[in-house]
Amino acid sequence: AQTVTQSQPEMSVQEAETVTLSCTYDTSESDYYLFWYKQPPSRQMILVIRQEAYKQQNATENRFSVNFQKAAKSFSLKISDSQLGDAAMYFCAPLPITGANSKLTFGKGITLSVRP
Amino acid sequence: SAVISQKPSRDICQRGTSLTIQCQVDSQVTMMFWYRQQPGQSLTLIATANQGSEATYESGFVIDKFPISRPNLTFSTLTVSNMSPEDSSIYLCSVEVWDSKYNEQFFGPGTRLTVL
Repeated sequence: AQTVTQSQPEMSVQEAETVTLSCTYDTSESDYYLFWYKQPPSRQMILVIRQEAYKQQNATENRFSVNFQKAAKSFSLKISDSQLGDAAMYFCAPLPITGANSKLTFGKGITLSVRP
Repeated sequence: SAVISQKPSRDICQRGTSLTIQCQVDSQVTMMFWYRQQPGQSLTLIATANQGSEATYESGFVIDKFPISRPNLTFSTLTVSNMSPEDSSIYLCSVEVWDSKYNEQFFGPGTRLTVL
């Protein structure tokens, strides 16, 4: 089974600034993916970025990047040049690649607000 | 990718009644998932629905309360039975899609259920 800890329930950032959202997780699986999902007020879950655990290189996707520390089981999301449209709830989720535990486990989420 | 639609998008129901939520995908998928998201909370997996087999329920969820159908590879329904106000939540379906390198879960827009 997986557990996910997102200890910051709320974060705020000034438009155009950078913000980092923290996530730690625990899993007994050796092979897994890690995801950050965004849920704006529309409720639609949107994949922001993924990381394969076997890759040491941190994933990047335009203004979004991660700091993946496998030994520490830490997976933080950095949003650069924050935009008003980034305001949403953000969820971290590990996904084991195979086996009975191959299902997403979501953290409690972080509500990000962006100040104009 | 996958485009998912859900019906209804929202409903207000009376205590003791049942509601069936439909999930339609624009491509054939093996695994479909049903989640519950209580107000201001994270997503909790209710069950995994594979075509041609009984749904697999997570701890705390039972078939009598949340019967699921999966008649083909593009469609599933979740019924919330004998509803109480505690069932007021957003219900989301998602599907797992594999391409040559990754698997990814795509989510429907959710059904907002209010039970009076």
